[in-house]
Amino acid sequence: KNEVEQSPQNLTAQEGEFITINCSYSVGISALHWLQQHPGGGIVSLFMLSSGKKKHGRLIATINIQEKHSSLHITASHPRDSAVYICAVPQYGNKLVFGAGTILRVKS
Amino acid sequence: DAGVIQSPRHEVTEMGQEVTLRCKPISGHDYLFWYRQTMMRGLELLIYFNNNVPIDDSGMPEDRFSAKMPNASFSTLKIQPSEPRDSAVYFCASSSQANTEAFFGQGTRLTVV
Repeated sequence: KNEVEQSPQNLTAQEGEFITINCSYSVGISALHWLQQHPGGGIVSLFMLSSGKKKHGRLIATINIQEKHSSLHITASHPRDSAVYICAVPQYGNKLVFGAGTILRVKS
Repeated sequence: DAGVIQSPRHEVTEMGQEVTLRCKPISGHDYLFWYRQTMMRGLELLIYFNNNVPIDDSGMPEDRFSAKMPNASFSTLKIQPSEPRDSAVYFCASSSQANTEAFFGQGTRLTVV
């Protein structure tokens, strides 16, 4: 079974700060997902990556397959980035196992 | 496309009643997933379908839960009889291929009293 650990659990930042959220998993995978869940509850897929780095706007996701670790970075953070960020990896097939999530609050 | 559509958005029901949650996936997506989210356990996969066929239902908690996908544009998750511990947010998601980005619905918040 693939275990997924996220850190930190909670993160408060000032607007403009650079933010890093980490995700570690225990078993080799084909791809890792980063999801964002806003206070209203909706879930949006941010990234799916299997190697290297992906960038979308102010969001950057990196993955190190050998170390079984991924990071999600937010540059120039803004209050609208406040959300829960969830990492997910496949246990087998299409069955995703989710981390507990990181609650991010960005203060203006 | 309007995205994945779930209904109802909120459901409050009494213990013992039957509850049916509905999902319309994105047109052309071959995979449909049902997830449950609780404070205690986070997000968990309940069941997923490929081309309307249930592939993995190992996450379905017990026989009170059942899911169907009669056609490519509609799926239901039924709980009968419902119990207070079933209170959670239930998400439906769809994707075009295996191991690709999934698109989530807005979820159904179920409260069983």
